[in-house]
Amino acid sequence: NAGVTQTPKFRVLKTGQSMTLLCAQDMNHEYMYWYRQDPGMGLRLIHYSVGEGTTAKGEVPDGYNVSRLKKQNFLLGLESAAPSQTSVYFCASSYVSSRTRETQYFGPGTRLLVL
Amino acid sequence: TQLLEQSPQFLSIQEGENLTVYCNSSSVFSSLQWYRQEPGEGPVLLVTVVTGGEVKKLKRLTFQFGDARKDSSLHITAAQPGDTGLYLCAGVANKLIFGTGTRLQVFP
Repeated sequence: NAGVTQTPKFRVLKTGQSMTLLCAQDMNHEYMYWYRQDPGMGLRLIHYSVGEGTTAKGEVPDGYNVSRLKKQNFLLGLESAAPSQTSVYFCASSYVSSRTRETQYFGPGTRLLVL
Repeated sequence: TQLLEQSPQFLSIQEGENLTVYCNSSSVFSSLQWYRQEPGEGPVLLVTVVTGGEVKKLKRLTFQFGDARKDSSLHITAAQPGDTGLYLCAGVANKLIFGTGTRLQVFP
C-alpha cells in the first residue's frame, strides 16, 4: 500500500495563477483533510471531507476550494494564488471508529512558493 | 479558538541527555496525541492519551496527560540522534487542534 500520496511535491506559482493539489489514499478511509504548515504555527486545517461528495470548511478556508468526487481522492484548489499562501500543504486521511482515538495518516507534503 | 502552546519551541542537546516537552491549553480535550515529523515528511502518530493523569511509555519516550485533560508532556530519556525531528501535540475535539511544535536536534 502506498498510503497517502500527494502531487506535486514542489511548485512555484506567480501571484494570480491557479493550481490544484492532488491527494490520493488507498486505505479506503472515509475522512480526508487538507492542512497547511507554517513556521511556529503547527498545522492548520483548511478543509476536510467526511465522505465522498462532502466537504466542509476548517480553520483557514479562505482562498481555497476542495472537491471529493471519488472516495480515494481529495483535491485542493487555489483559484488566484497569493504570496500569503506560500506554505507546505499536507493531506491526511483517517478511518474514524472513535473520535477520541482517531488516527490520521499524512502524506509527504507539497511545498508551494507563490512569488 | 482553541490554542495549544508547546514549549520549548527549539531544543538542541547532546546525545544521552534527558528532555521534556510541554503542551498546554486552556481548553479541555477528549484525548491528546503526539506526532513526530521528520524533514520532508508528514507527521506520524506516536501515541494517544485518553484518560486524565494517564501515562504511556514508548521505549525511551514517556507521555503524560494532565489530570484536567488540558495539558500534556513528553519526556525523552537518553536522547539519541534518531530522536531529531519536530514534535507536535494535537488535542482531539471535534477535529484535531495542533500545537505550535517543538523542534528537537540531538547531536552525537
